[in-house]
Amino acid sequence: SQQGEEDPQALSIQEGENATMNCSYKTSINNLQWYRQNSGRGLVHLILIRSNEREKHSGRLRVTLDTSKKSSSLLITASRAADTASYFCATETGNQFYFGTGTSLTVIP
Amino acid sequence: DGGITQSPKYLFRKEGQNVTLSCEQNLNHDAMYWYRQDPGQGLRLIYYSQIVNDFQKGDIAEGYSVSREKKESFPLTVTSAQKNPTAFYLCASRFVNTGELFFGEGSRLTVL
Repeated sequence: SQQGEEDPQALSIQEGENATMNCSYKTSINNLQWYRQNSGRGLVHLILIRSNEREKHSGRLRVTLDTSKKSSSLLITASRAADTASYFCATETGNQFYFGTGTSLTVIP
Repeated sequence: DGGITQSPKYLFRKEGQNVTLSCEQNLNHDAMYWYRQDPGQGLRLIYYSQIVNDFQKGDIAEGYSVSREKKESFPLTVTSAQKNPTAFYLCASRFVNTGELFFGEGSRLTVL
C-alpha cells in the first residue's frame, strides 16, 4: 500500500494551544496536501505544498515538507474548539492521491 | 451553488443486492474519484476517471464498477461480489493537473 501514516493517531489539547501533526509517506510525490474532515462529512482541502517547497503558511496553518525524510508536518496555531476534526495528509503521484490514516484532533474549550 | 452532490446519504442493502451510488458535479471538473473510508481509517481509492468514457482501477476496485458517460456524473455500483461493502463512500473531483480535490458529503452504505 502507498498509504501514508499520520502521527499521532489522536491528539487532545486546550483551546489556544498549538496542535502539531505529522505525516510520513512512502513514494516520490508531486505535491502533498492536507485535508480536514468533520465527523460524518466530506473532506475539505486546507493547504497544498509542492515537492520543491519546504514550508507554506495559510492563516493559522503552517505546513513543512522534508522530501529527504518523506515527511510533512501540519501546525495549527492558537487552536479553537471549531478546529476539532480529523486531519489527513494526501500525496499525489501521477494522477492518484494516497491518503494517510488521519489524526483525530480534539480541542477542549 | 457549485459543488459535488452525492446521493443517497444513507443506504441499506441486503446481502446479494447491487446498489448504485450517485455522484454529480457542476464544477466543470475533468477528473472524478471514488474513495472508500472505513471507521478510523484513511481513504482508499476505488476508481478514478480523467475524461469521459475512460476510467482506471484504484487499489480496491474488486467488487465495484463505474461508468463515466457524462462529464458531470460518475456513478459507483457496489456489486454483490464485494465481500465487505459496509463503509462510507466519498466522491471527489478536480481539474486535471491542478491541485486540490473537492469532495461530496459522502454516502454511508450498510449491508444488513
